[in-house]
Amino acid sequence: KQEVTQIPAALSVPEGENLVLNCSFTDSAIYNLQWFRQDPGKGLTSLLLIQSSQREQTSGRLNASLDKSSGRSTLYIAASQPGDSATYLCAVRTRGTGNQFYFGTGTSLTVIP
Amino acid sequence: ETGVTQTPRHLVMGMTNKKSLKCEQHLGHNAMYWYKQSAKKPLELMFVYSLEERVENNSVPSRFSPECPNSSHLFLHLHTLQPEDSALYLCASSQDHLVGYGYTFGSGTRLTVV
Repeated sequence: KQEVTQIPAALSVPEGENLVLNCSFTDSAIYNLQWFRQDPGKGLTSLLLIQSSQREQTSGRLNASLDKSSGRSTLYIAASQPGDSATYLCAVRTRGTGNQFYFGTGTSLTVIP
Repeated sequence: ETGVTQTPRHLVMGMTNKKSLKCEQHLGHNAMYWYKQSAKKPLELMFVYSLEERVENNSVPSRFSPECPNSSHLFLHLHTLQPEDSALYLCASSQDHLVGYGYTFGSGTRLTVV
């Protein structure tokens, strides 16, 4: 069974810093990997989707990379802002598991003004 | 609002009660999902419906009973729950359950079982 780990569990940074969130997965046979954002008491919003054939995706100040062979993905946030404070979840869709996404437990990010 | 609406937002119920969670989407999506999010645990997929037919049931206890009367509505009927069932229950929809992207999530129902 696919296991997804996110490190660190929580992160607090001053505004303006660049930061990296990490995601690792145990089964490299994946269809895709997604990064989601979850605000307190809210649902998930998809940030970036990387297909298994891709190495990275960018959207504004966000850049996500994928290294399938090592089972890792990183989410890079440039010039962090207080509005980036949220929990960031990584999810992988694995071959052979039907329609199931496997989620990590998330990294809770606080950006201090 | 994301396009997926869940009601109620908060629910407190006793272990002998029966209640239902409701999810509604008017995005024209054909697939709908129930997820459970417990503290310190990853999101767990509970049920998948495609065109009103259940296509996945991830070993969920029978005290959780889903219902999909049409492609816009999804219910989760709850009865004789346990305190460990307290969690955030998230509904999501997508155009096609075979495509692994394009999900829209609701804001969830925070369930507390006392």
